[in-house]
Amino acid sequence: LAKTTQPISMDSYEGQEVNITCSHNNIATNDYITWYQQFPSQGPRFIIQGYKTKVTNEVASLFIPADRKSSTLSLPRVSLSDTAVYYCLVGEDGNKLVFGAGTILRVKS
Amino acid sequence: GAVVSQHPSWVICKSGTSVKIECRSLDFQATTMFWYRQFPKQSLMLMATSNEGSKATYEQGVEKDKFLINHASLTLSTLTVTSAHPEDSSFYICSAREAGGSDTQYFGPGTRLTVL
Repeated sequence: LAKTTQPISMDSYEGQEVNITCSHNNIATNDYITWYQQFPSQGPRFIIQGYKTKVTNEVASLFIPADRKSSTLSLPRVSLSDTAVYYCLVGEDGNKLVFGAGTILRVKS
Repeated sequence: GAVVSQHPSWVICKSGTSVKIECRSLDFQATTMFWYRQFPKQSLMLMATSNEGSKATYEQGVEKDKFLINHASLTLSTLTVTSAHPEDSSFYICSAREAGGSDTQYFGPGTRLTVL
């Protein structure tokens, strides 16, 4: 089963770019990499998904090196409202997603 | 697009009663839905995988007779917590995987269950 490793927490200031790196050494050939954001007492919200290289949407960018053993979520110019838990997940068994501990991002003013 | 709803958003019940939680995919068809449980300050724990028209697959340690899952249509899955006890109090979250899509799962807003 693919397993992910992320930093437990990160601190940043408003307006800064935040990069959260996730390790997934055992990623399978068919696995996608997906990042979610979760606020307290809410369900996770989809941020971005990728398979290789770089993906960008209106919220974030996802960088994936050629070996796909890691990925980096980049949040440009964070604000206080970006304070949340961020989860990196890879597809397992073609269906199941197993959540790790996630990264607590705290944005300060 | 890709909206998943849950009902109710919160529920309080007495010990020994049963509670049903609904999960609906509003704008897409979901052949597979998942049920998670999340305790305070912890990550989400997968409870079961629900496939439309077939029996759910439960994760190790999850009692299938206590957490009844029904996935009768491509847009609705239900989780019934039978004979609930205070230790079942938790945040229950469902997700839905779009039929024919990638591994992207879209999550519902969650249901807070408190058992007195």
